[in-house]
Amino acid sequence: EAGVAQSPRYKIIEKRQSVAFWCNPISGHATLYWYQQILGQGPKLLIQFQNNGVVDDSQLPKDRFSAERLKGVDSTLKIQPAKLEDSAVYLCASSLVVREQFFGPGTRLTVL
Amino acid sequence: AQSVTQPDIHITVSEGASLELRCNYSYGATPYLFWYVQSPGQGLQLLLKYFSGDTLVQGIKGFEAEFKRSQSSFNLRKPSVHWSDAAEYFCAVGAWDNAGNMLTFGGGTRLMVKP
Repeated sequence: EAGVAQSPRYKIIEKRQSVAFWCNPISGHATLYWYQQILGQGPKLLIQFQNNGVVDDSQLPKDRFSAERLKGVDSTLKIQPAKLEDSAVYLCASSLVVREQFFGPGTRLTVL
Repeated sequence: AQSVTQPDIHITVSEGASLELRCNYSYGATPYLFWYVQSPGQGLQLLLKYFSGDTLVQGIKGFEAEFKRSQSSFNLRKPSVHWSDAAEYFCAVGAWDNAGNMLTFGGGTRLMVKP
């Protein structure tokens, strides 16, 4: 069974530029999550989707971050414009049953 | 709101020695608890989880953890560490309510293994 796929794996941009990350969850997983992991910290949930609807986006900085999950499968997370403090690893996870999440390899973003 | 504390930021052990990583949580109801491991450049891999029942939980790679409600702890243990265990370890508490399925992670413990 294929795992959670993410691309790109690495991205370097300058501040005020925009960037997008893509996630393909495990086939059949209805729930998809985006986490932000700043260096030296644990992951922090940004947004959770159930199929193509948003369940929780209370910690998403909505002035610059946006996410969508069209057709309830793939998802895209966008940052526009990026700030220096957005440098982090962005992790995507998916789950079938409520209690277990499977994580992708992450996208490491560096904002210069 | 739930929270997780991992008091040790770094731990160094010799290969073959025993290991215990500490995790303390705060949560108003019965917690669902997890330990994940993250190798450099990799995503998070689930080591073990506790939902209910036996408070001693066995996981992959020879790891186990014990849930102690009275101490609000869920410490991870391994009797004999291998060099390949060097990684970052995260404890997490899960909450499931009308807002969804939310994991709150601790800050992580970086494990280094001396030959």
